[in-house]
Amino acid sequence: DQQVKQNSPSLSVQEGRISILNCDYTNSMFDYFLWYKKYPAEGPTFLISISSIKDKNEDGRFTVFLNKSAKHLSLHIVPSQPGDSAVYFCAGKAGGTSYGKLTFGQGTILTVHP
Amino acid sequence: DGGITQSPKYLFRKEGQNVTLSCEQNLNHDAMYWYRQDPGQGLRLIYYSQIVNDFQKGDIAEGYSVSREKKESFPLTVTSAQKNPTAFYLCASTPGQVGNTEAFFGQGTRLTVV
Repeated sequence: DQQVKQNSPSLSVQEGRISILNCDYTNSMFDYFLWYKKYPAEGPTFLISISSIKDKNEDGRFTVFLNKSAKHLSLHIVPSQPGDSAVYFCAGKAGGTSYGKLTFGQGTILTVHP
Repeated sequence: DGGITQSPKYLFRKEGQNVTLSCEQNLNHDAMYWYRQDPGQGLRLIYYSQIVNDFQKGDIAEGYSVSREKKESFPLTVTSAQKNPTAFYLCASTPGQVGNTEAFFGQGTRLTVV
């Protein structure tokens, strides 16, 4: 039962263009969503999050959009830079507190070409 | 510097042997988690602990054991009963407070069974 799905295993974009990474979820109890960036052989680093009471959250070049009715979220990176090349994971959490497990998608490999 | 330290970074184990992965945090976080990452898959939860001397099974707990004798430490033992132990293991923590926050991850341990 894959509660969080990232259906695109990889994405390739040109430097300076927009990168759009997508994520779908099935668990209606999720009330908090996060995006992490991960390099090979390293731990994930937190990028941006969004609460289910919002539909957009922005932090510099990164914007996350949440469509609750479609159970879909997306991460926009504008402009994309070669240093953004990494694996991106979305995750959902239920419970309303900082306790509780994160459920991750399979990840999307982003490659930004100079 | 506050953070999560996982050791060792690389670990080799012979089939049939138990091995223990270390995870220490100095963030004063209440909750700690162990995830496993396999190629092409997301992070899957093995065990988590919200408080000292208490822990719960995650989605793939079979063949693993944990202890939480101290707030700072959450070691994971991979037993000989784990059928496919070769993977990248990640430890994470979250603060104990009302309200959502992100999980902080260690740098991971690569376990290889030889």
